[in-house]
Amino acid sequence: KAGVTQTPRYLIKTRGQQVTLSCSPISGHRSVSWYQQTPGQGLQFLFEYFSETQRNKGNFPGRFSGRQFSNSRSEMNVSTLELGDSALYLCASSFGTGLNEQFFGPGTRLTVL
Amino acid sequence: DAKTTQPPSMDCAEGRAANLPCNHSTISGNEYVYWYRQIHSQGPQYIIHGLKNNETNEMASLIITEDRKSSTLILPHATLRDTAVYYCIVRAIIQGAQKLVFGQGTRLTINP
Repeated sequence: KAGVTQTPRYLIKTRGQQVTLSCSPISGHRSVSWYQQTPGQGLQFLFEYFSETQRNKGNFPGRFSGRQFSNSRSEMNVSTLELGDSALYLCASSFGTGLNEQFFGPGTRLTVL
Repeated sequence: DAKTTQPPSMDCAEGRAANLPCNHSTISGNEYVYWYRQIHSQGPQYIIHGLKNNETNEMASLIITEDRKSSTLILPHATLRDTAVYYCIVRAIIQGAQKLVFGQGTRLTINP
């Protein structure tokens, strides 16, 4: 069974631009969560989607948004990029109920210049 | 979710057991203890979780104290590939909610 895939793996953008990151969960998984990882703040929860609905949201500004499609694939969007948005963005999928382990993808490394 | 406290770093010799402690003194009755690890440049990997009984799987063992205020992850025969940052996470199981709150973790280095 294929793991969680994220595209692109690396991305360079400039301040003020917007970016869209994609995540394909493990087949059969309906829950997708997004995390941001930076050296200073560590791993921080962004949001979680289940059956196309946002179920949970972390403490990030409205510039960070996401969505989930009917096939469980998910995208996250960051508008008006700032230098501080440079980070590794990780996607994790799980079957759905709260007890299930999350499987993480390799991440997308975003650099904002 | 309850806060966890872990030592920032630990060393262990290859082939020996690595014992990683975690304090979670404010844990509540419906909160589970989860362990994940992150090898450099990869996404976190699930290791094990438990509520109050000790748990064992093919990767590790989890020992939770009777008062549930602390736990220890045990890697029985550490290898160089176990070098990683290990995260102890405490969370309640809410139907459909998959939020994980990561602390700073313990950087475990396995030495040859």
